[in-house]
Amino acid sequence: KQEVTQIPAALSVPEGENLVLNCSFTDSAIYNLQWFRQDPGKGLTSLLLIQSSQREQTSGRLNASLDKSSGRSTLYIAASQPGDSATYLCAVRGGADGLTFGKGTHLIIQP
Amino acid sequence: DVKVTQSSRYLVKRTGEKVFLECVQDMDHENMFWYRQDPGLGLRLIYFSYDVKMKEKGDIPEGYSVSREKKERFSLILESASTNQTSMYLCASRTGTPIGYTFGSGTRLTVV
Repeated sequence: KQEVTQIPAALSVPEGENLVLNCSFTDSAIYNLQWFRQDPGKGLTSLLLIQSSQREQTSGRLNASLDKSSGRSTLYIAASQPGDSATYLCAVRGGADGLTFGKGTHLIIQP
Repeated sequence: DVKVTQSSRYLVKRTGEKVFLECVQDMDHENMFWYRQDPGLGLRLIYFSYDVKMKEKGDIPEGYSVSREKKERFSLILESASTNQTSMYLCASRTGTPIGYTFGSGTRLTVV
């Protein structure tokens, strides 16, 4: 059964720093990988989607990479801002039956 | 943009009540999903549906059922609510093409 792990579980950094969030998964037979953001008490907002054939995706200050063979993905956030404070979730799709989620990284950007 | 709308943000129900959580999507997506999210456990898949009147069990279907009478609407039903079903419930949809999932804003259910 697919398992997704996110490291670190929590991270606090000063504003302006570049940072990396890590995601690993146990079964490399994935269809795609998706990064989400969740604000407290709210739903999930999709940030980036990487297909299994892709190596990376970029959106503004965000860059996500995928190394399917080693079961790893990273989310890079450049020039962090207080508004980036949220929980970041990594999820993999292994087939037709939904996503498998990591437990998230709780990120705090200090002004 | 695709919208997934969950009818209630907050619900408080009594133990033993029958509870309906409604989810509607506006982009003609074939696939719809219900998850629950709990601290320390993350998001877990309850049920999903590939098409109208079709349903499949996810990882934790016990105590729940679903209904999909129309393509745009997917309902989660708690037949007899219990306190251990207090949770955040999230609905999602996607198409069959390689597009990502879109989530609703969630329903925080408290069973007392």
